[in-house]
Amino acid sequence: DTAVSQTPKYLVTQMGNDKSIKCEQNLGHDTMYWYKQDSKKFLKIMFSYNNKELIINETVPNRFSPKSPDKAHLNLHINSLELGDSAVYFCASSHAGEAGGSYNEQFFGPGTRLTVL
Amino acid sequence: KQEVTQIPAALSVPEGENLVLNCSFTDSAIYNLQWFRQDPGKGLTSLLLIQSSQREQTSGRLNASLDKSSGRSTLYIAASQPGDSATYLCAVYNQGGKLIFGQGTELSVKP
Repeated sequence: DTAVSQTPKYLVTQMGNDKSIKCEQNLGHDTMYWYKQDSKKFLKIMFSYNNKELIINETVPNRFSPKSPDKAHLNLHINSLELGDSAVYFCASSHAGEAGGSYNEQFFGPGTRLTVL
Repeated sequence: KQEVTQIPAALSVPEGENLVLNCSFTDSAIYNLQWFRQDPGKGLTSLLLIQSSQREQTSGRLNASLDKSSGRSTLYIAASQPGDSATYLCAVYNQGGKLIFGQGTELSVKP
């Protein structure tokens, strides 16, 4: 199946731990994103990578570090987890756009529900 | 700062009814606009992308319109079915490729 996939689907961990979420897309896209959906279901962009290069970095704590080993993968590593990090994290991808950003249709993964205890 | 608002927050209709979901945005200088649906506990499914130069886009029973000057988009669903029950999200593309989301309309279609 052509899609955006994320692992794990659920992640339960203690405060202070470090964890990673993996994302892969086989749609042949150049641009990948991480979004956070909070408890009120509000979705907000965190990061965007275009061909392994960071192009969007919202005001996210530096405990969050995205890593893109290649165009098809964008992983999210979170250090020193806090209670407020509990949320659903979505990965997405799209074709690249002109310099400065992509306005092409974005396709989302199934999400990773992170619970910090 | 771009803000996207969706009204109503929740909507319940009987099966077969035609319905309209509303989306408004504060900054008309958008690039594209995308409608998604999200089923409980699932990811987002792209429904329609309207380019900034377009006025509307259709896919099956769905029709989305865009009026940039007034900062509005609507999603029209014809002959609603119970399977249409989901949260519908509107999102606009700002400069730099940032996708700004509304908080969604939770739709329930009763058999």
